[in-house]
Amino acid sequence: KNEVEQSPQNLTAQEEEFITINCSYSVGISALHWLQQHPGGGIVSLFMLSSGKKKHGRLIATINIQEKHSSLHITASHPRDSAVYICAVSSADTDKLIFGTGTRLQVFP
Amino acid sequence: DTGVSQDPRHKITKRGQNVTFRCDPISEHNRLYWYRQTLGQGPEFLTYFQNEAQLEKSRLLSDRFSAERPKGSFSTLEIQRTEQGDSAMYLCASSLDRAQETQYFGPGTRLLVL
Repeated sequence: KNEVEQSPQNLTAQEEEFITINCSYSVGISALHWLQQHPGGGIVSLFMLSSGKKKHGRLIATINIQEKHSSLHITASHPRDSAVYICAVSSADTDKLIFGTGTRLQVFP
Repeated sequence: DTGVSQDPRHKITKRGQNVTFRCDPISEHNRLYWYRQTLGQGPEFLTYFQNEAQLEKSRLLSDRFSAERPKGSFSTLEIQRTEQGDSAMYLCASSLDRAQETQYFGPGTRLLVL
């Protein structure tokens, strides 16, 4: 079993739909990260959180430390949100990242 | 500052050849990480530097792989006697030397071993 599990693996949506991507982890962490990766490889950090909830524009990330679970929500999705969204956790000792396999999101107009 | 840069962006090599990749982190960042990502998978940790000290290496990093960060600034990752299984995207990231810091990623070097 992977230390970081994401679901779903693939997700298609119509523009304006509300989207949720889930992440569960099984190791001790110092923080959880949500990352976005566009075709071509570039990875951008969206959120880093260790408790509660963070919001940036149409993106919302939540984490439940007790349940070892996090969600990324996209409100009013847009085709430009199409990308791979990766959940990663910082290990408690070195801050190295342990990644999930990613969720490929496609938003159609 | 233009962020983390990696060179080259793409590399095609024949099996058995040696390759070297370079990463230039954000200038004030003490921590530097190397990750590897194969097609359809999330990245995997390879190694980590704090300044010039290599503090952790994954068991994925076989003895054909070596990484250096001689002056605590740029880093190089060398793969000797490349194998087809080494084909992947090699990602570098850097961060400040504090707990729970955001890691900033470079664009990656895509390696194809023929």
